[in-house]
Amino acid sequence: DTGVSQDPRHKITKRGQNVTFRCDPISEHNRLYWYRQTLGQGPEFLTYFQNEAQLEKSRLLSDRFSAERPKGSFSTLEIQRTEQGDSAMYLCASSPTGLPPIEQYFGPGTRLTVT
Amino acid sequence: GEDVEQSLFLSVREGDSSVINCTYTDSSSTYLYWYKQEPGAGLQLLTYIFSNMDMKQDQRLTVLLNKKDKHLSLRIADTQTGDSAIYFCAYHGGATNKLIFGTGTLLAVQP
Repeated sequence: DTGVSQDPRHKITKRGQNVTFRCDPISEHNRLYWYRQTLGQGPEFLTYFQNEAQLEKSRLLSDRFSAERPKGSFSTLEIQRTEQGDSAMYLCASSPTGLPPIEQYFGPGTRLTVT
Repeated sequence: GEDVEQSLFLSVREGDSSVINCTYTDSSSTYLYWYKQEPGAGLQLLTYIFSNMDMKQDQRLTVLLNKKDKHLSLRIADTQTGDSAIYFCAYHGGATNKLIFGTGTLLAVQP
């Protein structure tokens, strides 16, 4: 396994359009996380899956955001009616199940630019 | 609260020691982590410390934790140009699986 992959790496879209990002975690990892990172800031938690169940959502995840992990493997993050404030790096991470400390393995991210 | 503060920038000469500092507010943190982020690459876990420890050493890395003052530091001995990156402290609370990250410190190593 080569690690967590994300697609696309870069996305430029016009305000009001919908975008969808994909994350493929490390194959044996049950847990999957989405974070958002804006310039000069640390990553901020968006949502968390244990297998296919979405167990936690941040209040940052407005109604325009939806995430799925239908078969407990890859995950998608969709942003509807994008706004300029959505421009950020969207990071996906995965980890095995277990007690802390548990390393979260991060993907390279998808950089979204909303024009 | 979930605030984690770090100084924005640190510049050192190659071969010197680097000390990156972090202060946090959530006293329920069980583990505290240091992550490294290089341009175009994902975040990489460097080391972690359990909240009942004061110090942890891992090769060139030394983590110091002052739980009373809620202060965490990362010391990199013999800093190399390859250590140039952004360093984030983070904590993992007991009841949640998410990581809360600091604002990040950009470490610039001058040859």
